[in-house]
Amino acid sequence: EPEVTQTPSHQVTQMGQEVILRCVPISNHLYFYWYRQILGQKVEFLVSFYNNEISEKSEIFDDQFSVERPDGSNFTLKIRSTKLEDSAMYFCASSEWLGGRGYNEQFFGPGTRLTVL
Amino acid sequence: TQLLEQSPQFLSIQEGENLTVYCNSSSVFSSLQWYRQEPGEGPVLLVTVVTGGEVKKLKRLTFQFGDARKDSSLHITAAQPGDTGLYLCAGAGMWNTDKLIFGTGTRLQVFP
Repeated sequence: EPEVTQTPSHQVTQMGQEVILRCVPISNHLYFYWYRQILGQKVEFLVSFYNNEISEKSEIFDDQFSVERPDGSNFTLKIRSTKLEDSAMYFCASSEWLGGRGYNEQFFGPGTRLTVL
Repeated sequence: TQLLEQSPQFLSIQEGENLTVYCNSSSVFSSLQWYRQEPGEGPVLLVTVVTGGEVKKLKRLTFQFGDARKDSSLHITAAQPGDTGLYLCAGAGMWNTDKLIFGTGTRLQVFP
């Protein structure tokens, strides 16, 4: 069964360093998302991406964050200068073109645990 | 701001018992998904409900979407230790690219 994959599974970095989290969405999906989950808290939306541009972003997704689809399969989240409070699980999700179905069903990857020291 | 409140937050029961988890909001959602999440892993989609009043069954799990599409419930019959986990509801807006608004989660522990 197709699934969303993410690498690395765990990333440890020093405060102020840049990190790139990678995702390979399900192949026929056209809508891509990043969410994060701080330990013990609920899953929070960061950004949605469609047709090579950002569709929506949350207030968490400030100038330190960027997303890119560098090729036909990868979807990346870059944090330019990490802060301690960026430590969280980051989940990539994707959904397909809905057409007549009319609802948004998102499938999540296993996550990348980011630890900022 | 759209919020989804889940109750209870924690639930510890014995194997064989029945339970219901509630997901409530003051906002209307076009669809609502239920996910299950294991520690250190991503949410795994269980079911999507779309129509007000809709009921879907997945083996011993029964999901219902409220008539006004503002709330949902998950009922588990004869719970088993394998049902242990974090259950999340997530509501979607009206557009294809809309984000999911996640609930606060219900952590279920089923003891043998």
